[in-house]
Amino acid sequence: ETGVTQTPRHLVMGMTNKKSLKCEQHLGHNAMYWYKQSAKKPLELMFVYNFKEQTENNSVPSRFSPECPNSSHLFLHLHTLQPEDSALYLCASSLLAQGTSPLHFGNGTRLTVT
Amino acid sequence: AQTVTQSQPEMSVQEAETVTLSCTYDTSESDYYLFWYKQPPSRQMILVIRQEAYKQQNATENRFSVNFQKAAKSFSLKISDSQLGDAAMYFCAYRSDNNDMRFGAGTRLTVKP
Repeated sequence: ETGVTQTPRHLVMGMTNKKSLKCEQHLGHNAMYWYKQSAKKPLELMFVYNFKEQTENNSVPSRFSPECPNSSHLFLHLHTLQPEDSALYLCASSLLAQGTSPLHFGNGTRLTVT
Repeated sequence: AQTVTQSQPEMSVQEAETVTLSCTYDTSESDYYLFWYKQPPSRQMILVIRQEAYKQQNATENRFSVNFQKAAKSFSLKISDSQLGDAAMYFCAYRSDNNDMRFGAGTRLTVKP
């Protein structure tokens, strides 16, 4: 039991499709994050939600749309993606959005855009 | 901007031996926190160890310890008595009270039996 659950584990989609990634945490954390992990590059922070409010949008293209309906759930809505968007998308949560609170990660969704 | 640099894309160690993974960071903050995460093939990032910058004593967690050199902005991870299960990608990360967590590009550690 990781505490942070991501679905689906794998996703293949065409450039014209619309899909959503889901993240759920049962740790009682107040902050949730989306990261993009591409090969041989540092993790890229995409979005941060703190107490359900978006506090960071790290210059992410509008084809990625986050949604945080409550502090336990986080979605990433995808539409008209590009092949370069293929990557591992990691969700994380932490008790606080700053300081020494470590991030707890899910297993990620491996996204392939064809 | 805060950056985290891991200069070793790949490292290998013999089982039961000791290995040190390097990490340097750039910051103008005085208070911050440093982390090492491990990502095995299962893809889940797992916290290995963390260090508060205001603490002079190096953090240790069983076989894992850090060498924190604040003046040099260096935060290396030492793994003692390496085990096959230690094989993974290792990521160094930085966070301050004013910034979100930033990660290095990672070091792939191979453990040879």
